[in-house]
Amino acid sequence: AQSVTQLDSQVPVFEEAPVELRCNYSSSVSVYLFWYVQYPNQGLQLLLKYLSGSTLVKGINGFEAEFNKSQTSFHLRKPSVHISDTAEYFCAVSETGTASKLTFGTGTRLQVTL
Amino acid sequence: EPEVTQTPSHQVTQMGQEVILRCVPISNHLYFYWYRQILGQKVEFLVSFYNNEISEKSEIFDDQFSVERPDGSNFTLKIRSTKLEDSAMYFCASTLRTGGNQPQHFGDGTRLSIL
Repeated sequence: AQSVTQLDSQVPVFEEAPVELRCNYSSSVSVYLFWYVQYPNQGLQLLLKYLSGSTLVKGINGFEAEFNKSQTSFHLRKPSVHISDTAEYFCAVSETGTASKLTFGTGTRLQVTL
Repeated sequence: EPEVTQTPSHQVTQMGQEVILRCVPISNHLYFYWYRQILGQKVEFLVSFYNNEISEKSEIFDDQFSVERPDGSNFTLKIRSTKLEDSAMYFCASTLRTGGNQPQHFGDGTRLSIL
């Protein structure tokens, strides 16, 4: 079984400042890693994913994440946030192989202010 | 870009009543999922479905729950006798292929309120 920990439930940040949202996972098997964003009253939108290869992955809206196997982490970063980045961010994992259900973290609320 | 659509956006139901949540997955997708998110909590997997059969289900998905693909486009989640603790946002998702590497495409959800 897998589990995902997002240590920060809320992250307040000023516009144009950098941000890092932390994600750690636990699994007895190899996993794929995902970040999803949820804007108010909307569904989950895929930001980026790590499947294999380069540990630094780039996603939409200027976000990137780095997979660190030794630390079992997949932190999300953006060098300069915008007001429109205010949303809930979920880290998720799925097992490699045919199983495909996602296991989510509890989410981090990113609040960007002027 | 193709979307997963869910109806209704908000459903209010009396405790003990049956409720059906509807989803139209992306048209060429073959694998379908339901998740739920109780207010303030994480998104939880309920069930996956392929080729008219349940592929996997969680402990949450007990005998009160059922899923069906009644035609070529809809995918439904039925809760037979709703309880207060069923109040949550329910998300449908679909993928083209199976496999943990497939990004899941989510609908905007149905907010289910049990009174």
